[in-house]
Amino acid sequence: DAKTTQPTSMDCAEGRAANLPCNHSTISGNEYVYWYRQIHSQGPQYIIHGLKNNETNEMASLIITEDRKSSTLILPHATLRDTAVYYCIVRVVWTGTASKLTFGTGTRLQVTL
Amino acid sequence: DAGVIQSPRHEVTEMGQEVTLRCKPISGHDYLFWYRQTMMRGLELLIYFNNNVPIDDSGMPEDRFSAKMPNASFSTLKIQPSEPRDSAVYFCASSFGSGRSTDTQYFGPGTRLTVL
Repeated sequence: DAKTTQPTSMDCAEGRAANLPCNHSTISGNEYVYWYRQIHSQGPQYIIHGLKNNETNEMASLIITEDRKSSTLILPHATLRDTAVYYCIVRVVWTGTASKLTFGTGTRLQVTL
Repeated sequence: DAGVIQSPRHEVTEMGQEVTLRCKPISGHDYLFWYRQTMMRGLELLIYFNNNVPIDDSGMPEDRFSAKMPNASFSTLKIQPSEPRDSAVYFCASSFGSGRSTDTQYFGPGTRLTVL
């Protein structure tokens, strides 16, 4: 699976949009971009995923650049409960067996009042 | 749905003792994953099962670790004998039909293991 690069930490004011970048310059054509987050003392939680089109769900939006070498996770109105470590993961969806989630170090997002 | 259930939530044991961690996946999910998280190594996959059969155990650190899935609703991760360096949070996750883009993995709350 392609390697990803994320900033170590970011701050965001409550109510503002949080934009979390991820670089995956070696991504292959059959690799998806996934985002998970881990709130302190909890298990990781799925947020969103995409292949090449922008995606939106009730939690967030995912913007993938046209060349697919980077992406941005957007939390439109961050709240204190969004404080967590956010992981950007690139993975092949089907290789004949289950594809793994390889977690990097992620971005620690701190939402403040 | 109750989600992925893990027990115990906390385990404190002494070096050399056997430790058994338990996981009940979400009903209907056919993939089950065991992860370990430490400050030094982050979150790493240990082993995963498909339809109760171990598929990839390349992440299991050594022979002291073993995992079983006797049926679709139960899995165990056993450490025998335990060592202080095994102290970590162990997560279990399950998914449905891995191999599709929508095979979201759902994680349990984890078991915090401390080996003295």
